[in-house]
Amino acid sequence: SQTIHQWPATLVQPVGSPLSLECTVEGTSNPNLYWYRQAAGRGLQLLFYSVGIGQISSEVPQNLSASRPQDRQFILSSKKLLLSDSGFYLCAWSRLGVLGATPYEQYFGPGTRLTVT
Amino acid sequence: SQQGEEDPQALSIQEGENATMNCSYKTSINNLQWYRQNSGRGLVHLILIRSNEREKHSGRLRVTLDTSKKSSSLLITASRAADTASYFCATDERGSYIPTFGRGTSLIVHP
Repeated sequence: SQTIHQWPATLVQPVGSPLSLECTVEGTSNPNLYWYRQAAGRGLQLLFYSVGIGQISSEVPQNLSASRPQDRQFILSSKKLLLSDSGFYLCAWSRLGVLGATPYEQYFGPGTRLTVT
Repeated sequence: SQQGEEDPQALSIQEGENATMNCSYKTSINNLQWYRQNSGRGLVHLILIRSNEREKHSGRLRVTLDTSKKSSSLLITASRAADTASYFCATDERGSYIPTFGRGTSLIVHP
């Protein structure tokens, strides 16, 4: 069966510090991978998605970046955090390997609660 | 941009009652999905309905889709306290298979 891991679960970081959140998927290959941010009481904002190793698409301009060094590993980074980066970060995967074909549901990780102070 | 918008924003009912949530969207879609999120957790997929389908069932869940009105509804029958969660609809516009999530409906079921 497939499993998605995210760590850390919670993180408190000062403004201006770097960030690295990691997401790994087990039990599947060639997944589509996604990073979302959820502000309190809000919906999910898609930040990045990836259809393959080294292929990253950014949805929203910001001081965050994403990388996919391995097929089932997705990393969200920042060089200098802002207060507005606080939120609940969710990683997700879907079975679709190439966007444009029949879609599948997304499977979400447990999330990382980031507080920038 | 937000494609789907859920209504109501919050819903409070008693155990055993039915809960109905609605989702409206702006542009033509390929598919519409409903997800559930327990507080502080990731989202869990509930049901996917394609643009050529009008109704789908899964256990106590019933989803309808009206493409002429650009709306969908999620009905939870005989609700339980364990159904307390936020419910999100996600749509993917024609030409894009990336789902866009609404802000969700917060459902509280009182035992």
